[in-house]
Amino acid sequence: SQTIHQWPATLVQPVGSPLSLECTVEGTSNPNLYWYRQAAGRGLQLLFYSVGIGQISSEVPQNLSASRPQDRQFILSSKKLLLSDSGFYLCAWTTGGDTQYFGPGTRLTVL
Amino acid sequence: SQQGEEDPQALSIQEGENATMNCSYKTSINNLQWYRQNSGRGLVHLILIRSNEREKHSGRLRVTLDTSKKSSSLLITASRAADTASYFCATPPNSGNTPLVFGKGTRLSVIA
Repeated sequence: SQTIHQWPATLVQPVGSPLSLECTVEGTSNPNLYWYRQAAGRGLQLLFYSVGIGQISSEVPQNLSASRPQDRQFILSSKKLLLSDSGFYLCAWTTGGDTQYFGPGTRLTVL
Repeated sequence: SQQGEEDPQALSIQEGENATMNCSYKTSINNLQWYRQNSGRGLVHLILIRSNEREKHSGRLRVTLDTSKKSSSLLITASRAADTASYFCATPPNSGNTPLVFGKGTRLSVIA
């Protein structure tokens, strides 16, 4: 069966520090991968999606970037975090069907 | 841009009552999906209804779709405290790789 992992589960970082969040999927090949951010009590904002290795589509211009170095690995990064980057980050995958499967999320607090 | 909008934003009911949440969307769709999110967790897919379907059931869940009104409803019957969560509708703007677009969700509280 397929599983999706995200780490870390929680993260507290100072403003201006770098960020690296990782998402990996097991049990499937060539998934479409997605990064979402969710502010407290709000809906999901799509940040990036990828249909293959090295292929990244950005939905929102900001100080975040994404990379897909391997088929089942999706990384969200920032060189310098802002206070507004705080939120709940969710990774999701699909294999061409319409249903998306979500990871457990990473709670990021920028102080 | 926001595709689905859930209504109400928040709903509080007693255990055993039915909970109804609505979703409106703007453009033509191939399907509409409902997801559930427990506090601090990832989203879990509940049910998918295709554009040629009008109603679908899964356990205590009943979903309807009215493409003429561009709306859907999610009914949870005989609610339980464990149903307390946020519920989101989502639609694919286009087929293939285009990501789902999620609404802002309905926060359901079921009081024991």
